[in-house]
Amino acid sequence: GAVVSQHPSRVICKSGTSVKIECRSLDFQATTMFWYRQFPKKSLMLMATSNEGSKATYEQGVEKDKFLINHASLTLSTLTVTSAHPEDSSFYICSAYGQHYSNQPQHFGDGTRLSIL
Amino acid sequence: SQELEQSPQSLIVQEGKNLTINCTSSKTLYGLYWYKQKYGEGLIFLMMLQKGGEEKSHEKITAKLDEKKQQSSLHITASQPSHAGIYLCGADPSGTYKYIFGTGTRLKVLA
Repeated sequence: GAVVSQHPSRVICKSGTSVKIECRSLDFQATTMFWYRQFPKKSLMLMATSNEGSKATYEQGVEKDKFLINHASLTLSTLTVTSAHPEDSSFYICSAYGQHYSNQPQHFGDGTRLSIL
Repeated sequence: SQELEQSPQSLIVQEGKNLTINCTSSKTLYGLYWYKQKYGEGLIFLMMLQKGGEEKSHEKITAKLDEKKQQSSLHITASQPSHAGIYLCGADPSGTYKYIFGTGTRLKVLA
């Protein structure tokens, strides 16, 4: 069964709205989670690393003020897209590292399709 | 920085045919992951390869990592419509679980 839950799976909202996406590890504690973005017909691009109890680290070119990440507990990371605009429309996927899963150390959520009108 | 290139970009095959997808790395791989994704959905883990020359199979899918650990192939035998989707190879260049992904291969299987 799924070990990482991502919610919501789909969200449609108006331009200027802030949208929060949650990523939860269900069976394990995840000190580190990752957020990826996928453009249509493109591969996944790492946006940021979410660290429990400390600031997220962002990849080059990712606006940290636009994409706010909070990792307040060992099982939950949130990504907030602030003042979203149509160009932020995309598919966002989180992943969590579980050290006890040696055959598959990273588990991915099912993704969130964000559409900004 | 390390990059993963997949080929072909897209593939359409008749049901029952065999096919191969390749993933080539610009640097030595210290672990290679294969995932399948249906459009707009999450990633389904297929296999992880770590050792040069390693080969793993699951049902009708076989993945290999070459001895030099710079290329991996994914082979599907007797393809079925259920195999359709996007196949992604992934790697962890820095050993920090920050994955990079290949360009993806879109597979369609015609019934």
